[in-house]
Amino acid sequence: DAKTTQPTSMDCAEGRAANLPCNHSTISGNEYVYWYRQIHSQGPQYIIHGLKNNETNEMASLIITEDRKSSTLILPHATLRDTAVYYCIVRVAWGRDTGNQFYFGTGTSLTVIP
Amino acid sequence: DVKVTQSSRYLVKRTGEKVFLECVQDMDHENMFWYRQDPGLGLRLIYFSYDVKMKEKGDIPEGYSVSREKKERFSLILESASTNQTSMYLCASSLPGKGNTIYFGEGSWLTVV
Repeated sequence: DAKTTQPTSMDCAEGRAANLPCNHSTISGNEYVYWYRQIHSQGPQYIIHGLKNNETNEMASLIITEDRKSSTLILPHATLRDTAVYYCIVRVAWGRDTGNQFYFGTGTSLTVIP
Repeated sequence: DVKVTQSSRYLVKRTGEKVFLECVQDMDHENMFWYRQDPGLGLRLIYFSYDVKMKEKGDIPEGYSVSREKKERFSLILESASTNQTSMYLCASSLPGKGNTIYFGEGSWLTVV
């Protein structure tokens, strides 16, 4: 899996957009960018993933640069419940013959401030 | 919404006891996984199953076994619990294929005393 680099921590005012960057300069052509978050003492929660194009779902938007070497997760209107550690992961897939390791890296600790 | 349900959120067991951790997913996923998460060590894969009755060892299978008799259910068994198995255990599931998504349960906190 390609290595990812994220800032250690960020703050965001409640109601504002939270923009979380991730660098993945060694990503290969068939690797996807995944975002998960983990709130203390709970399992990782899937947020969004993409290959090349920007993606949006009910939780967030994912912007991937044209060269695919970096991406940004956008939470459009952050709430206090979005306070968590956010992880950017680059992988082809999970399943047979793929290893199935789930490497978190350091992640970004996002604090949403009232 | 995908739901991965782990039967027990918090358990306390004695050394030497046999422990069963149950996991059920409701999305007809072929793949199911058991991980443990420890501070500073991240998630470590214990076992993986890609079909009923099929299993593959992960990175740390010693002291654990698994059972998958039905597609939706994947059980983790600690044959004789030891204190070094105190951890948070996470079950996950996914469909096969590139760009698939792995979904996790809420976790089971096991303390072995």
